[in-house]
Amino acid sequence: EDKVVQSPLSLVVHEGDTVTLNCSYEVTNFRSLLWYKQEKKAPTFLFMLTSSGIEKKSGRLSSILDKKELFSILNITATQTGDSAVYLCAVEPSQGAQKLVFGQGTRLTINP
Amino acid sequence: SQTIHQWPATLVQPVGSPLSLECTVEGTSNPNLYWYRQAAGRGLQLLFYSVGIGQISSEVPQNLSASRPQDRQFILSSKKLLLSDSGFYLCAWKTGGSGANVLTFGAGSRLTVL
Repeated sequence: EDKVVQSPLSLVVHEGDTVTLNCSYEVTNFRSLLWYKQEKKAPTFLFMLTSSGIEKKSGRLSSILDKKELFSILNITATQTGDSAVYLCAVEPSQGAQKLVFGQGTRLTINP
Repeated sequence: SQTIHQWPATLVQPVGSPLSLECTVEGTSNPNLYWYRQAAGRGLQLLFYSVGIGQISSEVPQNLSASRPQDRQFILSSKKLLLSDSGFYLCAWKTGGSGANVLTFGAGSRLTVL
C-alpha cells in the first residue's frame, strides 16, 4: 500500500526562524512528489519534484528530493506570520490514474 | 485560463438526509477529476476519481457515491448521511493523460452532519 508520512505533525516557531519539514514515502513506481500549502481552504501548489538532488526554490522556500532514501524536505528561511499554514506532501505513483497519495500534513505556526 | 468551482461552501445536514456537492471545471477539456475528504487535522483521503464521462473509480468503501454526467462536472452524493460523513470535501482536477501534472483544488465544501 502506498504511504506518505510527514513530520513533525505540528511545529511552532518565532518569526525569523528557519524550519525544515520532512516527508518520507513508500510507493510503487514513483513518478513525482508534490508540496502544497493549505491556509484555510484549497491547498495551493508549491513544488513538484521528480529527480533526486535537484533543489527547487521559490523565494524563501526550497525543497529537495532523495529518491534513494525515499524522502523530501521543505525548507522555509526567515519565516513570516504569513507562512503559518498546513503543509501537505503528496506522492504520485506512475501507474493508475495519476492519483496523489497525501501525508497527514504539518501544521506550522509562526508567532510574531 | 482554467478555473474550478465547488459548491456549496458550507453545509449543515441532519443524519439520514441526502447530500449533493457539485464541482465544475472551466477552460479545459477531458480533465481527470477527483474528490478528496479531509478530516479535522488530518491529510487528504482520496474518495473517487474519474478519467472520463460516466467513468468513476472508488477508493474506499463508504456511504458516498460520485457521478460525472458531463465532461467538466463531478458530483458527490449520498442518499442518507451518517455522522462520520462530516468533514471538508475537496474537488480537484488535473490534465488528462499520462503526464506528471499538478493537481488543482477547488475551495472546498465543509459538511457538518448533526
